[in-house]
Amino acid sequence: NAGVTQTPKFRILKIGQSMTLQCTQDMNHNYMYWYRQDPGMGLKLIYYSVGAGITDKGEVPNGYNVSRSTTEDFPLRLELAAPSQTSVYFCASATAAVTTYGYTFGSGTRLTVV
Amino acid sequence: DAKTTQPNSMESNEEEPVHLPCNHSTISGTDYIHWYRQLPSQGPEYVIHGLTSNVNNRMASLAIAEDRKSSTLILHRATLRDAAVYYCILRADNYGQNFVFGPGTRLSVLP
Repeated sequence: NAGVTQTPKFRILKIGQSMTLQCTQDMNHNYMYWYRQDPGMGLKLIYYSVGAGITDKGEVPNGYNVSRSTTEDFPLRLELAAPSQTSVYFCASATAAVTTYGYTFGSGTRLTVV
Repeated sequence: DAKTTQPNSMESNEEEPVHLPCNHSTISGTDYIHWYRQLPSQGPEYVIHGLTSNVNNRMASLAIAEDRKSSTLILHRATLRDAAVYYCILRADNYGQNFVFGPGTRLSVLP
């Protein structure tokens, strides 16, 4: 099983550039999440979605946008990249029974903004 | 979500048991206790979870105090591959809410 797939694995952006981090899952999970992890820190929620067409902000949404047109895909868009967005980004998915089965995470995208 | 407190780091010798503590004194009656771990350069992975009773699975055991204000993740025989950051997280049984990941406990396993 592929699980949660994130692309690219690594990316270097210049300040002011834009990019889209891709996330796709093949488990038919309704819930999807984007987290960022700064060095030595825990994960912080950026955006999440409870189903196609429905998204909501997490703890640190500024500077990011998301869309959820299909169950499988949950891309994260960075507009006008800033050095503060240098981080590792993780996408996760879950069934409606999140408490019972927990999250499945992707392997992450390491982004550096210079 | 109620907060959890974990030691910043712990060390263990290979093939010895490891007990990772977590304090959650403000836990509510509907909060499940979840444990995830994050291996180097990987995303977090689910380890185990429980509500009131102790739980066992192929990866670990979870011992929950009778008052539920603390819990302990038990790795019965640590291997080098168990070196990771372990996160203890509380989550109420509400769909759509996210897990809040604190800094966790960094476990080092010595050969």
